[in-house]
Amino acid sequence: DIQMTQSPSSLSASVGDRVTITCRASQGIRNYLAWYQQKPGKVPKLLIYAASTLQSGVPSRFSGSGSGTDFTLTISSLQPEDVATYYCQKYNSAPFTFGPGTKVDI
Amino acid sequence: EVQLVESGGGLVKPGGSLRLSCAASGFTFSSYSMNWVRQAPGKGLEWVSSISSSSSYIYYADSVKGRFTISRDNAKNSLYLQMNSLRAEDTAVYYCAREGPTVNDAFDIWGQGTMVTVSS
Repeated sequence: DIQMTQSPSSLSASVGDRVTITCRASQGIRNYLAWYQQKPGKVPKLLIYAASTLQSGVPSRFSGSGSGTDFTLTISSLQPEDVATYYCQKYNSAPFTFGPGTKVDI
Repeated sequence: EVQLVESGGGLVKPGGSLRLSCAASGFTFSSYSMNWVRQAPGKGLEWVSSISSSSSYIYYADSVKGRFTISRDNAKNSLYLQMNSLRAEDTAVYYCAREGPTVNDAFDIWGQGTMVTVSS
């Protein structure tokens, strides 16, 4: 099965900073990569699908890139409401594995 | 409003069984593949199982294969997860999640989750 890794596992940044999270697949998954945001005590929310397509209603400060095995999630200007754990997920075929998550703090 | 509502969680002893349900509303349930995802306390997300719109394709994580059974009733707009031979490591919040409208799509709608605790 394809394994998903994320780095860093956690980060702390200031309001207004540019934040980048990396996700790597152990084998190529084309662009079948999604990013989810889970705020403390809340349900996961889809941010980006197809590696770079923003889900409706998601602020434009979020962006995604990559294809094959290496992907990034970028927050262009970190806001207080972005405190959350971010997960990547492959969905090209089962198992639909999630990455271990990246916790973002202010 | 598009909505998924899970139910059926609770406290069960190791080796016991539990059946989770997920009621869908606000969309054409029979057109979408559905999934179960779980999250152990303080841990990350773990995909558990998937079922296609017509139940033709079913997949399980290795950790639950042979113990859990996913099913759906399109007439009742409902998704189910029958969990047998439960273990302490199955303790988690269980979410049902809808796959998007295209084949092999991300999970665009999530329920609020139902807690399953396996303990003696």
